Amino acid sequence: QKEVEQNSGPLSVPEGAIASLNCTYSDRGSQSFFWYRQYSGKSPELIMSIYSNGDKEDGRFTAQLNKASQYVSLLIRDSQPSDSATYLCAVSDNQFYFGTGTSLTVIP
Amino acid sequence: KAGVTQTPRYLIKTRGQQVTLSCSPISGHRSVSWYQQTPGQGLQFLFEYFSETQRNKGNFPGRFSGRQFSNSRSEMNVSTLELGDSALYLCASSLQRGDTDTQYFGPGTRLTVL
Repeated sequence: QKEVEQNSGPLSVPEGAIASLNCTYSDRGSQSFFWYRQYSGKSPELIMSIYSNGDKEDGRFTAQLNKASQYVSLLIRDSQPSDSATYLCAVSDNQFYFGTGTSLTVIP
Repeated sequence: KAGVTQTPRYLIKTRGQQVTLSCSPISGHRSVSWYQQTPGQGLQFLFEYFSETQRNKGNFPGRFSGRQFSNSRSEMNVSTLELGDSALYLCASSLQRGDTDTQYFGPGTRLTVL
């Protein structure tokens, strides 16, 4: 069974701080990695995709991938209360596998 | 461009009944994937359809089935409903293969089985 592990949280950070979300995966053959954000009662929406080792930045979001360690992370800089949501890590080889998500609360 | 649409948004059924859920992907997208989301299990992959063919299937019983039409719209059917089938059912579309391309999710269908 291929697994994607995330710390379920809840993770609380003050407004303006950096939030760090982590994800590990079991399948070394995984090729594509995604971070989705899901607000309560809503469907997941894509934040970032990353395919190669290293960092990928998009605005306040930075995804980091380390295939050797089977580890992918998401950093949110200058966290805002509107970032409060559940963040889902997804890993893909021949199909998508999702983690159970990390709940993030940004405290004003 | 319109997003992924799912109908109905809410359903209440009783045990033993069957249900059909519908998903219309983003225009031009050929792949449709279905997921079940529950608080305890998270997002669980059901199956993926690409050009009317089931390309992948998750670990769900045969009561869960689906199909895709020539216009890429997809339906999912659950027969002999059980209480444990109560969940949010999400459909996601992608341009090409659902395993590598970004998936865009619909709003979901909330199914309650009584």
